Amino acid sequence: DQQVKQNSPSLSVQEGRISILNCDYTNSMFDYFLWYKKYPAEGPTFLISISSIKDKNEDGRFTVFLNKSAKHLSLHIVPSQPGDSAVYFCAASAQKLTGGGNKLTFGTGTQLKVEL
Amino acid sequence: NAGVTQTPKFQVLKTGQSMTLQCAQDMNHNSMYWYRQDPGMGLRLIYYSASEGTTDKGEVPNGYNVSRLNKREFSLRLESAAPSQTSVYFCASSVVTGAYYEQYFGPGTRLTVT
Repeated sequence: DQQVKQNSPSLSVQEGRISILNCDYTNSMFDYFLWYKKYPAEGPTFLISISSIKDKNEDGRFTVFLNKSAKHLSLHIVPSQPGDSAVYFCAASAQKLTGGGNKLTFGTGTQLKVEL
Repeated sequence: NAGVTQTPKFQVLKTGQSMTLQCAQDMNHNSMYWYRQDPGMGLRLIYYSASEGTTDKGEVPNGYNVSRLNKREFSLRLESAAPSQTSVYFCASSVVTGAYYEQYFGPGTRLTVT
C-alpha cells in the first residue's frame, strides 16, 4: 500500500525553465510534508517542507504547494539550474514519536534532469 | 561538525554472514532512524529510536536488530544476511524545528549479499 506516490519516475527540463514535481498521498492523517533532494552516492538532503495548515511555502527558487482536498503537493523550481539535476523524494509525516522525532513515509522519487 | 556518519561505505557479504552497520551523529539529536532504499521503492523505515534508551520497529524490521548505544550512536545488525537484504542503508537523525522534526541523513552504506 503506497501511501505516498510520485507517479513520474523522471522529468527533463531546460535550464532556466520551471520544473514541477508532483506527489500524491492517500493518508488523510499526514500533517507535515517534506521534499528531499538526493545526488548519486550521497544521502538525501532536506530541501523544503510545509505543514497542513498552509497551502504554500517558498524558499528562494523552491516553492511547495499543498492541496489538501486533492491530497496533492507539488514542488516548483524556478529557474531550473543544471545543479538541480538529482532525484527528488516527497515525504509525509503523521505521527510524532514519544520522546521526539517523527516517522516519515517516502515516495519512490522523481529523477530530474536539467539540460543546458 | 561532521553531521551523520556511517561506516562502512560498501560491504559484500555471503548469505548467512552477520555484520553491524555503524551510525553516529554529532548534532546532539534525540531521535535516530535506519532506512533502506531499493530501486523503485523509495526509502523504507527499518527501525527508529525516538530517544536514548528506546528503540522500535518501523515498516520493514524483519531480519534486523538495532542498538542505541548512547545519544550519538545507533547501530543496525544483520544476524544472518540474505540476498533480499541487498540494498542501500541510510541512517538519519532528527531535530525539532517549530512543531515538526527535520531529518538529516548520512551518506549511506551499500550492502550486497551474495
